[in-house]
Amino acid sequence: GQNIDQPTEMTATEGAIVQINCTYQTSGFNGLFWYQQHAGEAPTFLSYNVLDGLEEKGRFSSFLSRSKGYSYLLLKELQMKDSASYLCAVMDSNYQLIWGAGTKLIIKP
Amino acid sequence: IAGITQAPTSQILAAGRRMTLRCTQDMRHNAMYWYRQDLGLGLRLIHYSNTAGTTGKGEVPDGYSVSRANTDDFPLTLASAVPSQTSVYFCASSDKGATDTQYFGPGTRLTVL
Repeated sequence: GQNIDQPTEMTATEGAIVQINCTYQTSGFNGLFWYQQHAGEAPTFLSYNVLDGLEEKGRFSSFLSRSKGYSYLLLKELQMKDSASYLCAVMDSNYQLIWGAGTKLIIKP
Repeated sequence: IAGITQAPTSQILAAGRRMTLRCTQDMRHNAMYWYRQDLGLGLRLIHYSNTAGTTGKGEVPDGYSVSRANTDDFPLTLASAVPSQTSVYFCASSDKGATDTQYFGPGTRLTVL
């Protein structure tokens, strides 16, 4: 079967750095997405990786290793507004997104 | 409007009733999707449409139907609602198709009693 694993919850301090990991086992791979979802709101797009390596976008970076079935989202200079769930999703061989259950990130002052 | 709108925002429904969730986008995106999101689970694809006039089944299609008469609208119908369909439903769209980024509507919170 297809599986996306992420930690259920993480806690970090304002101003710090946090890394959210995602491992996947899917039938085929056509890219990996990270989305942010604040409580009660819709998911919003953060990043897309299809090749190995690090993609940096402001305070957020996303890394992919296809051979290891692994990705992480790195958030720097954490702000209180970063408190949200972070969803990892992989596009499989049928071009459908398989979603992880999400990681709830709690930021403490 | 800009983006994707969904209606209603929330609904409480008696089991056995028929319900249509509405989704409209004004971005002229080709592809549209319906997901459900349940606590502790990832988003699950119900149905999708790669272009107007075509639809396909996702991971959890049973009990749901869709139509795509035009580019902008993609309604989701529950023919006879059951309590297990209590969930938050998100509509999404993408521009060029499956490999493109998906943009989500605000969601409909549905409770079936």
